[in-house]
Amino acid sequence: NAGVTQTPKFQVLKTGQSMTLQCAQDMNHNSMYWYRQDPGMGLRLIYYSASEGTTDKGEVPNGYNVSRLNKREFSLRLESAAPSQTSVYFCASSTLGQLRKPLHFGNGTRLTVT
Amino acid sequence: QQQVKQSPQSLIVQKGGISIINCAYENTAFDYFPWYQQFPGKGPALLIAIRPDVSEKKEGRFTISFNKSAKQFSLHIMDSQPGDSATYFCAASPPPGNKLVFGAGTILRVKS
Repeated sequence: NAGVTQTPKFQVLKTGQSMTLQCAQDMNHNSMYWYRQDPGMGLRLIYYSASEGTTDKGEVPNGYNVSRLNKREFSLRLESAAPSQTSVYFCASSTLGQLRKPLHFGNGTRLTVT
Repeated sequence: QQQVKQSPQSLIVQKGGISIINCAYENTAFDYFPWYQQFPGKGPALLIAIRPDVSEKKEGRFTISFNKSAKQFSLHIMDSQPGDSATYFCAASPPPGNKLVFGAGTILRVKS
């Protein structure tokens, strides 16, 4: 099983350029998330989608947009990249319910903005 | 300002020793406290989790201790092994669980 697949693995952008990070999961999970990981900051939630057709802001949404394309796919878009968006981006998926289910993470996209 | 404060930032332990990582929180609405383990180049993976109705949970060499009145919880790794060398994150969330908040992480190195 592939689990959560993120593309690309690495990306270098110039300030002002745009790009979309892709994420797909094959576990039939209803919830999907985008986190960024920075040294000394842990993982911070950018946006999440509790179910197909819904999206909500997380802790650090400024400068990002998301699209829940279908149940499997959740993309993150940077419209005008800034050096402060240099980070490692992780997509995750889970199933919400009474019993807490773990987040399943992809292996990340390492983004550098120069 | 982080909602979950984790310490230490890094930790070096001898093989066979006990690794202890601590976390503290303020939000009394949190009702789920997982720990995630991350190896280099990989995404984090759930290690162990606890709900506030119990004070301790053990899975193999890994134990979570939870102190609800102090709003603190900790991870103990007994008989630490070089293969345990990784970054560990504590986390917490309120119901229904779609906003998991992570600590800053602890880089653990177990020396053989």
